[in-house]
Amino acid sequence: KAGVTQTPRYLIKTRGQQVTLSCSPISGHRSVSWYQQTPGQGLQFLFEYFSETQRNKGNFPGRFSGRQFSNSRSEMNVSTLELGDSALYLCASSLGLAGFTSSYEQYFGPGTRLTVT
Amino acid sequence: AQSVAQPEDQVNVAEGNPLTVKCTYSVSGNPYLFWYVQYPNRGLQFLLKYITGDNLVKGSYGFEAEFNKSQTSFHLKKPSALVSDSALYFCAVRAFDTSGTYKYIFGTGTRLKVLA
Repeated sequence: KAGVTQTPRYLIKTRGQQVTLSCSPISGHRSVSWYQQTPGQGLQFLFEYFSETQRNKGNFPGRFSGRQFSNSRSEMNVSTLELGDSALYLCASSLGLAGFTSSYEQYFGPGTRLTVT
Repeated sequence: AQSVAQPEDQVNVAEGNPLTVKCTYSVSGNPYLFWYVQYPNRGLQFLLKYITGDNLVKGSYGFEAEFNKSQTSFHLKKPSALVSDSALYFCAVRAFDTSGTYKYIFGTGTRLKVLA
């Protein structure tokens, strides 16, 4: 089974620009989560999508948005880029949402390394 | 507040020696706990999880973790370290969010260095 794929792997953007990152989950996985990884902050949760609906959101400004398509593929958009947005953006897929009596491990893609200059 | 703590930024261990990477958590309700490993330029890989049952959980690559409810800890262990185990290790917990859903909270990571 193919793993989680993310495109592009590397991006260099200028402050003020916007960027769109793409994630294709493992076949059959319906939940896609996005994380921002920086050396100082570790992994910070951005949002989670399930069945094309955002189910949960972290503490990030509205410049960060996402969506999920009917085939479970997901995109993340960051508008008006700031220097502090430079990070590794990780996408993770899982079979389902974490629930009261269940919890699924997540499978991560290799990430998109975004550099804002 | 719900949180996960990995108190050591880095752990050094000699090859062949046992290793421990520490994790403590603070969540309401029963914790669901996970360990992931990240190699350079790669995403995180799932190692093991504790949901319920036996406090000692076995996972991939010879790793295991011990759940201790009274100490709210979930330390990762391996009896004999390999140089190839050198990587960044993350502990994570499922937490109930104020929005009425569950989400995963990750620790800040511990870099394991196994010395030949």
